[in-house]
Amino acid sequence: EVHLVESGGGLVQPGGSLRLSCAASGFTFSSYWMHWVRQVPGKGLVWVSRINTDGSSTSYADSVKGRFTISRDNAKNTVYLQMNSVRVDDTAVYYCARPSITRAYFELWGRGTQVTVSS
Amino acid sequence: EIVLTQSPGTLSLSPGERATLSCRAGQSVTSVYLTWYQQKPGQAPRLLIYGASNRATGIPDRFSGSGSGTDFTLTISRLEPEDFAVYYCQQYGTSPHFGQGTRLEIK
Repeated sequence: EVHLVESGGGLVQPGGSLRLSCAASGFTFSSYWMHWVRQVPGKGLVWVSRINTDGSSTSYADSVKGRFTISRDNAKNTVYLQMNSVRVDDTAVYYCARPSITRAYFELWGRGTQVTVSS
Repeated sequence: EIVLTQSPGTLSLSPGERATLSCRAGQSVTSVYLTWYQQKPGQAPRLLIYGASNRATGIPDRFSGSGSGTDFTLTISRLEPEDFAVYYCQQYGTSPHFGQGTRLEIK
């Protein structure tokens, strides 16, 4: 069975850092691009970042560009989101998502990990 | 950036009724990249419709999607109690964008 499991969330102070992980299982991880999407509780879904299959190409939402870094380790079937210089408005549930092999929609989602930025 | 506007923001209906949810794009969207998701409280989004009109695996046939260009519609023909949730449309482009969601609540 295919799964994505996020971890690494928690409470962090403004200006601090946090690294999220998303462990994949049940499919050939190295064949898929991977994304991070976040959601403030009670609000909508917001795309954060994506990485291609070998990690050579990444993209970010303007709101996190220069602060967050996405990376992956295909040997460990894991994608990461390094969050630096975090702000209060980064508080959200962070989901990793796998697009279809055609990269047309998100067909697999993790359950999410909560990140709270507060002093 | 393609802005997606969903309407209504909240839809109040009774089980058994028909629901029609709209997603309007600020510029033309290739249908293959238009997707609908369902999200229930405390859960991750669930893929419903991809390519504007294709039901995902395991999705009941009371759910249907239609539309092209800038106007897309999700229709639930006869609401079941488990259908009351928030629904998002999304376009998968260079930077994927979601609509703000339609909350479908029990009247």
